[in-house]
Amino acid sequence: YVLTQPPSVSVSPGQTARITCSGDALPKQYAYWYQQKPGQAPVLVIYKDSERPSGIPERFSGSSSGTTVTLTISGVQAEDEADYYCQSADSSGTYEVFGGGTKLTVL
Amino acid sequence: QVQLVESGGGLVKPGGSLRLSCAASGFTFSDYHMSWIRQAPGKGLECVSYITSSSTYTNYADSVKGRFTISRDNAKNSLYLQLNSLRAEDTAVYYCARAPYGGSPTRPEYFQRWGQGTLVTVSS
Repeated sequence: YVLTQPPSVSVSPGQTARITCSGDALPKQYAYWYQQKPGQAPVLVIYKDSERPSGIPERFSGSSSGTTVTLTISGVQAEDEADYYCQSADSSGTYEVFGGGTKLTVL
Repeated sequence: QVQLVESGGGLVKPGGSLRLSCAASGFTFSDYHMSWIRQAPGKGLECVSYITSSSTYTNYADSVKGRFTISRDNAKNSLYLQLNSLRAEDTAVYYCARAPYGGSPTRPEYFQRWGQGTLVTVSS
């Protein structure tokens, strides 16, 4: 089972970044998003498609439509530059799968 | 506060073995499903294996099935991963990760907290 993300997204500070993740099972399975900065462990930023963990800034949001889920970062800041990974379950709902990751560059 | 500290990584020859450990603190370890996730240098994330809170269920990525074994000791608040028949493609940082509380009884669903990882290098 494959979750497909764009390899890279670039935005200027203050703009809105949208990172997509596509997979056939996404209409049936929740999606999750992680942020990973260089040399650090991943951090959960969105769970169950659109819920934000405590401590995650409000500018991070998630949405789902059919076979695509989207992580939106509004008013991007330089500190948001990182790799972002989506994650969901495979089509049988028995194993957790990650997308290939998207490198967000803040110009 | 929640802490997950991995250890046991290092340099090993192809065909060799290693045992990774993850020491958990700051939460009731026996209440949570746990997982090992790896990241090869410059690559993405892969869920290698998971184990449910009471060790009832385990599962493995196809890439490691039959070679790796996950286990836990709830009395010692510790998670383990035995790596056998290691290959060059197993070279990665291995992260220990905790699932959320109260989710699916059979799988982690997602990874709420992560350790800092331990590096495994397989090379002759």
